[in-house]
Amino acid sequence: DTAVSQTPKYLVTQMGNDKSIKCEQNLGHDTMYWYKQDSKKFLKIMFSYNNKELIINETVPNRFSPKSPDKAHLNLHINSLELGDSAVYFCASSQVWGVGRSSYNEQFFGPGTRLTVL
Amino acid sequence: RKEVEQDPGPFNVPEGATVAFNCTYSNSASQSFFWYRQDCRKEPKLLMSVYSSGNEDGRFTAQLNRASQYISLLIRDSKLSDSATYLCVTLGGGGADGLTFGKGTHLIIQP
Repeated sequence: DTAVSQTPKYLVTQMGNDKSIKCEQNLGHDTMYWYKQDSKKFLKIMFSYNNKELIINETVPNRFSPKSPDKAHLNLHINSLELGDSAVYFCASSQVWGVGRSSYNEQFFGPGTRLTVL
Repeated sequence: RKEVEQDPGPFNVPEGATVAFNCTYSNSASQSFFWYRQDCRKEPKLLMSVYSSGNEDGRFTAQLNRASQYISLLIRDSKLSDSATYLCVTLGGGGADGLTFGKGTHLIIQP
């Protein structure tokens, strides 16, 4: 009965490869996110999707492409992996209701995918 | 540009003591405020939302000062299990925004 799940949990790959990380939420939330936590533990938003539509696309290389086949899934595909892509990637979801209703803005995080590029 | 600033610590505190941390945020349009907790090699989890009037949840008290753009967290009677990194988090206007995280304050409760 995991709320937000990600696969794989660990991903070790060579530079130049293409890889995907999958995320699923069973909370019925409208909005899903991808965050990156680098080696200095700094968590930063990458993408946000609301009802399968891209809302936020921060300054992220276009080698990163999110795909949302339905409201419950947001996958992250990464092309031509580089050493600097090594990080922990967290998926999250929230039930968006509007500004000021912070109880609806709570974001639930998946367990993270630890990506190591060699 | 640092949007949410926190003292990274570590704060080493004896069990049973009271500890307080704070953070400042630069985006005056921020609408919602939170403290998240992150254990080592785990995902962040919501500890509590922060309201202008101040709010308490058991041993935890959070305060928000919108004029000074300052958020605080107070932990009373600290437990060993409180050892973690505490992340100060803001959410901008518009419900589908991502959260903006501070770098976190590392707390170590010592027996």
